[in-house]
Amino acid sequence: DIQMTQSPSSLSASVGDRVTITCRASQSISSYLNWYQQKPGKAPKLLIYAASSLQSGVPSRFSGSGSGTDFTLTISSLQPEDFATYYCQQSYSTPCTFGPGTKVDIK
Amino acid sequence: EVQLVESGGGLVQPGRSLRLSCTASGFTFGDYAMSWVRQAPGKGLEWVGFIRSKAYGGTTEYAASVKGRFTISRDDSKSIAYLQMNSLKTEDTAVYYCTGGYGDSFDYWGQGTLVTVSS
Repeated sequence: DIQMTQSPSSLSASVGDRVTITCRASQSISSYLNWYQQKPGKAPKLLIYAASSLQSGVPSRFSGSGSGTDFTLTISSLQPEDFATYYCQQSYSTPCTFGPGTKVDIK
Repeated sequence: EVQLVESGGGLVQPGRSLRLSCTASGFTFGDYAMSWVRQAPGKGLEWVGFIRSKAYGGTTEYAASVKGRFTISRDDSKSIAYLQMNSLKTEDTAVYYCTGGYGDSFDYWGQGTLVTVSS
């Protein structure tokens, strides 16, 4: 199975900050990497698919990059509605595996 | 508007069965792979399994933790996906989300349904 790790596990940031979350796969997954946002008590929401493609309706302050084993989710200017937990997920092979999540909260 | 609505969750005793349903609307259900993802209380996301669209054979894949106990099926005429859960264990306690994906991502998500396995 492909293992996914994320760093940091949590971070505190202010509105307007640039935030970067890293995801690493235990083996190469090409660009088969997706990012999701989850707010408390809500279902996850797809933000980025295929490592760098922005899902329709998602604000352009979100961006993704990377390929192979190392990936990054960047929020260029953090907004109040962005405080949430972010998960990466590989779709290169089954079982589809998620990272443990990165919680972004208010400093 | 895309909607996925799960139903069928609740409290069940260990060893018993439960069937979840996921009713879809707002997209061409038959073109999408349908997956189930669960989240234990206070924990992260765990993929349970998926069923491919008929165009890709309608075949299924499962996580090792549920293989042989859970079965995913679909009725494209009704736009419903099912998760049949047998021999339930306490560690199956979670919110179960239904998701739909056209490519290799989980594009659409339901609101989730809570399954509690306890005596």
